[in-house]
Amino acid sequence: TQLLEQSPQFLSIQEGENLTVYCNSSSVFSSLQWYRQEPGEGPVLLVTVVTGGEVKKLKRLTFQFGDARKDSSLHITAAQPGDTGLYLCAGHASGTYKYIFGTGTRLKVLA
Amino acid sequence: GAGVSQSPRYKVAKRGQDVALRCDPISGHVSLFWYQQALGQGPEFLTYFQNEAQLDKSGLPSDRFFAERPEGSVSTLKIQRTQQEDSAVYLCASSPWDRGLAYEQYFGPGTRLTVT
Repeated sequence: TQLLEQSPQFLSIQEGENLTVYCNSSSVFSSLQWYRQEPGEGPVLLVTVVTGGEVKKLKRLTFQFGDARKDSSLHITAAQPGDTGLYLCAGHASGTYKYIFGTGTRLKVLA
Repeated sequence: GAGVSQSPRYKVAKRGQDVALRCDPISGHVSLFWYQQALGQGPEFLTYFQNEAQLDKSGLPSDRFFAERPEGSVSTLKIQRTQQEDSAVYLCASSPWDRGLAYEQYFGPGTRLTVT
């Protein structure tokens, strides 16, 4: 069974701080995505990474896919209250149509 | 532009009742996914359609769960004889890709099902 573990589960920080969220698995994924979900809404795609070692930047967010395509990280610089939400990683299981979602990291940024 | 819509947004069912949850994907999207999201957890894959073909139903938890997409657009997830453990948010996502390394999934707001 393929699992994606995220850490930390919960994070409460002050505006302006930096943070990193981790997404780890023992399985290899053909691609990995990061989503943000707000209460009462569906997840919204932030980024897709495909190549091992790939780094993508989206404004203050930096995403990295591990060399072995088993893990990923999301780094937020100078967090803002608008970054508050549930962050989910999702791996595409090779040879299937299935996406495996991580356990989620609930981020709260205090003004 | 119109996104993915789901109806109803909320459904309360008594244990043993059948329910039908509807998903209207983005027009022209080939791929459609259903997920189940329990409170405080990440979504869990249920099933995948490519047009009208159900290519993967490995995530459906039991034979009480059935999904269809007869004309390759609107999809319905049906749950028969609902049980309390079926209480969750059911999410639908569509994607313009039918092959490749990654599907850009666009999610609907979900249907919150509560079984009493």
